[in-house]
Amino acid sequence: DVKVTQSSRYLVKRTGEKVFLECVQDMDHENMFWYRQDPGLGLRLIYFSYDVKMKEKGDIPEGYSVSREKKERFSLILESASTNQTSMYLCASSLDGRREQYFGPGTRLTVT
Amino acid sequence: KNQVEQSPQSLIILEGKNCTLQCNYTVSPFSNLRWYKQDTGRGPVSLTIMTFSENTKSNGRYTATLDADTKQSSLHITASQLSDSASYICVVSSGGSYIPTFGRGTSLIVHP
Repeated sequence: DVKVTQSSRYLVKRTGEKVFLECVQDMDHENMFWYRQDPGLGLRLIYFSYDVKMKEKGDIPEGYSVSREKKERFSLILESASTNQTSMYLCASSLDGRREQYFGPGTRLTVT
Repeated sequence: KNQVEQSPQSLIILEGKNCTLQCNYTVSPFSNLRWYKQDTGRGPVSLTIMTFSENTKSNGRYTATLDADTKQSSLHITASQLSDSASYICVVSSGGSYIPTFGRGTSLIVHP
């Protein structure tokens, strides 16, 4: 059974803290994605990666960075968390751009 | 710019009733269209995939249709159950792109 796991389901951080969100997939997928989901706005792409050490900006990359040192792991980094980054963060992976994306359970991040 | 529009934004129905969700897209070139179901607090899960040559596809009580000429798709839910309460997201993939285009979703609530 395919699986995408995320390091935390719930996270509370203070403004200015550095935040790491980890995502691991066990399907040997090339592509991995980070989205944030806010009410009324749907899923918005932050960054994606199509290979190890390769990354591309999505629609809303400001305030975020990513790291992909191994094929199975894709990390999202908030360098200095701000309250407007309070959101649900979803990681996904896929074999290619036309195939199904498999999502993790999400991390609900609250920045106070 | 590739876009996916879904309607209605939200819908409330009584258990046992049918409903239809709509998706219009302007993605080109078209590769496939998926409907995802997202339960509260979970990641989206694919329900159906439609390719250019397919008009209708069923998955249990869920039936998706595709009109590639008018660039419209619908998801029909028959004999709704409480467990159908979720967000339904239309996602269109384009040939040659790593990134599919997401609609904002329709929030469905099924009342007993």
